[in-house]
Amino acid sequence: GNSVTQMEGPVTLSEEAFLTINCTYTATGYPSLFWYVQYPGEGLQLLLKATKADDKGSNKGFEATYRKETTSFHLEKGSVQVSDSAVYFCALRPVDSNYQLIWGAGTKLIIKP
Amino acid sequence: ETGVTQTPRHLVMGMTNKKSLKCEQHLGHNAMYWYKQSAKKPLELMFVYNFKEQTENNSVPSRFSPECPNSSHLFLHLHTLQPEDSALYLCASSWDRGSSYEQYFGPGTRLTVT
Repeated sequence: GNSVTQMEGPVTLSEEAFLTINCTYTATGYPSLFWYVQYPGEGLQLLLKATKADDKGSNKGFEATYRKETTSFHLEKGSVQVSDSAVYFCALRPVDSNYQLIWGAGTKLIIKP
Repeated sequence: ETGVTQTPRHLVMGMTNKKSLKCEQHLGHNAMYWYKQSAKKPLELMFVYNFKEQTENNSVPSRFSPECPNSSHLFLHLHTLQPEDSALYLCASSWDRGSSYEQYFGPGTRLTVT
């Protein structure tokens, strides 16, 4: 079946450090892939997406590349800020679904000044 | 108002109470969703509506009753809840066609059942 696996958190980094949050998936065909972010006390916001292999999604300095060969969609940022502290969710939309999103468990990111 | 709004933002209710959560989307989408977010658990999809018709019900207990009077409004009626129902309830909306079907979320209602 379909599934998403994220690295467990919390991930604690210093400001200006390089960030990687790993996400791997299991699905048939070419699902759409997403990263969402949830800031404290808020709902989820779409951060970036990719819909086909080798696509790179990017937003607010974050990037993720759709890697079919490794079934991965790792989130990266070159220099994190305290304001990036949040919970990050990786998700996929299966090819045979209009509505279902399969979610990872979320990774809490803590950035220290 | 823009995006997806939810009211109330916080709700405390006893197990014998009846309350309702409200969601409104201002994005012109035709699909709406209720999710439950509990601590240390993946996001759980509860219900999906497309053009007011319920398309998915993921084995949700009958003490949760959704209502979708039109494609912009979604309600979740609550009655005789249990303490384990305490969670953040998130509403989302999307198109049901297009290349990626991304969902847009409201801020959530933090529900505490006492």
